[in-house]
Amino acid sequence: AQSVTQLGSHVSVSEGALVLLRCNYSSSVPPYLFWYVQYPNQGLQLLLKYTTGATLVKGINGFEAEFKKSETSFHLTKPSAHMSDAAEYFCAVIPPNGGFKTIFGAGTRLFVKA
Amino acid sequence: EAGVAQSPRYKIIEKRQSVAFWCNPISGHATLYWYQQILGQGPKLLIQFQNNGVVDDSQLPKDRFSAERLKGVDSTLKIQPAKLEDSAVYLCASFSLREDTQYFGPGTRLTVL
Repeated sequence: AQSVTQLGSHVSVSEGALVLLRCNYSSSVPPYLFWYVQYPNQGLQLLLKYTTGATLVKGINGFEAEFKKSETSFHLTKPSAHMSDAAEYFCAVIPPNGGFKTIFGAGTRLFVKA
Repeated sequence: EAGVAQSPRYKIIEKRQSVAFWCNPISGHATLYWYQQILGQGPKLLIQFQNNGVVDDSQLPKDRFSAERLKGVDSTLKIQPAKLEDSAVYLCASFSLREDTQYFGPGTRLTVL
């Protein structure tokens, strides 16, 4: 069965530092890939997605992610962290022929230190 | 366009009581989902509807949970009777075929005492 692994349940960075949140999926056929952000007491907001085409995708709030088929990865990055980036981040996939069913990783909580 | 609407936003009940949540998806989205998100975990799919039909309810605890989408638009999720372990955020989402993307509502935070 398809699964999504997010390495690190908590990541802490200093304001202005690089943000790197890791995501790996298990599938021989590339799925659709997503990153969502969840702020406290709110629903999930789409940051960015990869379906086809360019493997480097840019999202909102300065985030981007690169799909690497050989590594089955879709890591999320941001060059310079801002205090407002502190939130929970979820990597998710829709498997091929998955009936539009999204499978989520366990999430990574990002802390940003002043 | 308006987003996915959910109500109530918060609910506190005692165990063995019943509770219902409501969701109105984005207009035109045929696929609707209910997820359970326990604190510190990712969302877990409870049930998926395509119009008014159930596509997947394999992870729905059917002895206490029920859901319906009678007219293929809004949906309700019910828990009866509630248990302590049902404390979670219940998220509703709908799927855009045009964008191949799920959109989520703000969720209902349920606390069972």
